[in-house]
Amino acid sequence: EAQVTQNPRYLITVTGKKLTVTCSQNMNHEYMSWYRQDPGLGLRQIYYSMNVEVTDKGDVPEGYKVSRKEKRNFPLILESPSPNQTSLYFCASGPGQVSNEQFFGPGTRLTVL
Amino acid sequence: AQKITQTQPGMFVQEKEAVTLDCTYDTSDPSYGLFWYKQPSSGEMIFLIYQGSYDQQNATEGRYSLNFQKARKSANLVISASQLGDSAMYFCAMREPRSNSGYALNFGKGTSLLVTP
Repeated sequence: EAQVTQNPRYLITVTGKKLTVTCSQNMNHEYMSWYRQDPGLGLRQIYYSMNVEVTDKGDVPEGYKVSRKEKRNFPLILESPSPNQTSLYFCASGPGQVSNEQFFGPGTRLTVL
Repeated sequence: AQKITQTQPGMFVQEKEAVTLDCTYDTSDPSYGLFWYKQPSSGEMIFLIYQGSYDQQNATEGRYSLNFQKARKSANLVISASQLGDSAMYFCAMREPRSNSGYALNFGKGTSLLVTP
């Protein structure tokens, strides 16, 4: 089954404790991206990647890191999480530059205390 | 900068009726793509339908159709024969170009749809 998977689905952590949210897709998509969804602000892009070893900042990259060592994986790293990073995070993937498909993972609900 | 506007914060529709969710957009790019997503209370984002700016015909996917009026810059989602399971948030989004041939989806604020028996 074609899908984007994220782990963990739910996470409660404390300020400053490094964490990684994994994202994997099995559709051989070039494009992968991370979004966060906050009430009243909608979905905002954090980082994106058009290919292996190519990553770029989105609208709200501060406090986040990503890597794209393999085509299928695009982990989101919070080196020192803070309470303002409490949010619902989505990983997305698509087949390329001009895409009529954009699939989202199930979301990761993160709470930073 | 591109902008997506969904003017209906909430909508009600009776089961088996059709409903139209509004979406207007603003862009100066001649090439763009428009998406609709459904987000049920469980939180996942479910892709519903896509319309490219050069597509000659309005997109359809099962009970979902897109009423694309390019001159008016509107891309309204029509759900026919509503079902109780259609109750959810619905988001309109536009693909926005970024550097290195990348892109982002620029989302509207969403419309909450409630289907009543």
